[in-house]
Amino acid sequence: QKEVEQNSGPLSVPEGAIASLNCTYSDRGSQSFFWYRQYSGKSPELIMSIYSNGDKEDGRFTAQLNKASQYVSLLIRDSQPSDSATYLCAVNVGGSQGNLIFGKGTKLSVKP
Amino acid sequence: NAGVTQTPKFQVLKTGQSMTLQCAQDMNHNSMYWYRQDPGMGLRLIYYSASEGTTDKGEVPNGYNVSRLNKREFSLRLESAAPSQTSVYFCASSLDFRNPPLFFGQGTRLTVV
Repeated sequence: QKEVEQNSGPLSVPEGAIASLNCTYSDRGSQSFFWYRQYSGKSPELIMSIYSNGDKEDGRFTAQLNKASQYVSLLIRDSQPSDSATYLCAVNVGGSQGNLIFGKGTKLSVKP
Repeated sequence: NAGVTQTPKFQVLKTGQSMTLQCAQDMNHNSMYWYRQDPGMGLRLIYYSASEGTTDKGEVPNGYNVSRLNKREFSLRLESAAPSQTSVYFCASSLDFRNPPLFFGQGTRLTVV
């Protein structure tokens, strides 16, 4: 069974700090990786995608991928209370499991 | 841009009743998906349609049926609702099956009593 693991949290950080969210995956053949943000009562919203090893930056968000360690992370710089949400890691495993496997999410709380 | 639109947003059913959740996308995507999300369980794939005319089971298909009506529309049917089907249901689409990411509809909160 292909799996994606995330710490469920809650992860609490003060406003202005860096929030670090982590994800590990079991399928070594996975090729693409995504971070979704989900506010309470809302649908998941894509915020980052990463396809190759290293860092990818988009505004205050940085995704980091290490395929050798089967590890992907999301850093949120200058965290704001509006960043408080659950962050879902998703991994493209292909095959009969319908393409994307989601982690259960990490709940982030940014305290003013 | 509407993106992915689901109806209804909320529904309460009695055990044994049937209903169909509707989903439509206007992004010209080939692949569509139905997920359910339960506390502590994350998003689980019910059924997907890799392309118009095809449907396949996901992780939790029991108790559900789907229809890919055309390229835009993908419906999910509960023939005889059970309390275990109380959940939030999300429809999603992607450009094609091998090309995520997925884009989600706003969800349907279903309660079966």
